[in-house]
Amino acid sequence: DSGVTQTPKHLITATGQRVTLRCSPRSGDLSVYWYQQSLDQGLQFLIQYYNGEERAKGNILERFSAQQFPDLHSELNLSSLELGDSALYFCASSLRGQGGNYGYTFGSGTRLTVV
Amino acid sequence: DQQVKQNSPSLSVQEGRISILNCDYTNSMFDYFLWYKKYPAEGPTFLISISSIKDKNEDGRFTVFLNKSAKHLSLHIVPSQPGDSAVYFCAASLSYGGATNKLIFGTGTLLAVQP
Repeated sequence: DSGVTQTPKHLITATGQRVTLRCSPRSGDLSVYWYQQSLDQGLQFLIQYYNGEERAKGNILERFSAQQFPDLHSELNLSSLELGDSALYFCASSLRGQGGNYGYTFGSGTRLTVV
Repeated sequence: DQQVKQNSPSLSVQEGRISILNCDYTNSMFDYFLWYKKYPAEGPTFLISISSIKDKNEDGRFTVFLNKSAKHLSLHIVPSQPGDSAVYFCAASLSYGGATNKLIFGTGTLLAVQP
C-alpha cells in the first residue's frame, strides 16, 4: 500500500457521459498529480495541484478538469467521454511540489473503459 | 514532442546477469532523472534517481548513470533476479520554482529475467 488511494479501481461508462475519479494523497503530502496511461503509451502528465492551487498543466483536454479540496484530496472530472478516453488514470502525490530525489508516490490507478 | 524516450520496448536477460535499460532525453532543463518500476495492476513505484549535476548514483543492485553530453541515462541491475521482471519507466523532472513540478515519463521497457 503506497498510501495514495484512488477510487474507483474500475469504471465502465458510455460515450458522452461524465465521470469523477477521486484521489487521496499520502498523509502529509501537499501536492497531487494526475497522469493518463493509454494502451502502449507512457504516462502522460495531465495536471498538478499544490495545497489547493493549480500549479502545472500538461496535455489535459478541455473536457477534463480537476480540483484539490481543503482536505487535500483531489478529483479528476472527465466529461463528454469518447472511446479514446479509455485508459488507466493514475494519481500521485509528493510532500512538496518537487520531483527531485524521491519522485512521486503513485496510487494503483483507476481503469476507465468507455463503451 | 516526446522529451523522454525509451527505444527498447522489451529486454530479456538471464538470472544473475546484468540488465541495462536505456533512456534518452532532449530537454537540458531537467533537474533530476528517475527510474520507476511497475508491476501489472499496480501503480509505478520509485526505484532510484540522479541529480542532473551527478553522473552516477548507486543503491544496492541498482546503479543509474547519466551522460549529459549525450543526453542519455541508463539503469544497471546487477545481478538480475526473476523478481525484477516488470516494466521500467524512465522519468525526468522539470521544476519551475514555487512548488511547481512535473515528471515526464518515457514509454517504458518490459524487462523479463529468465530463471
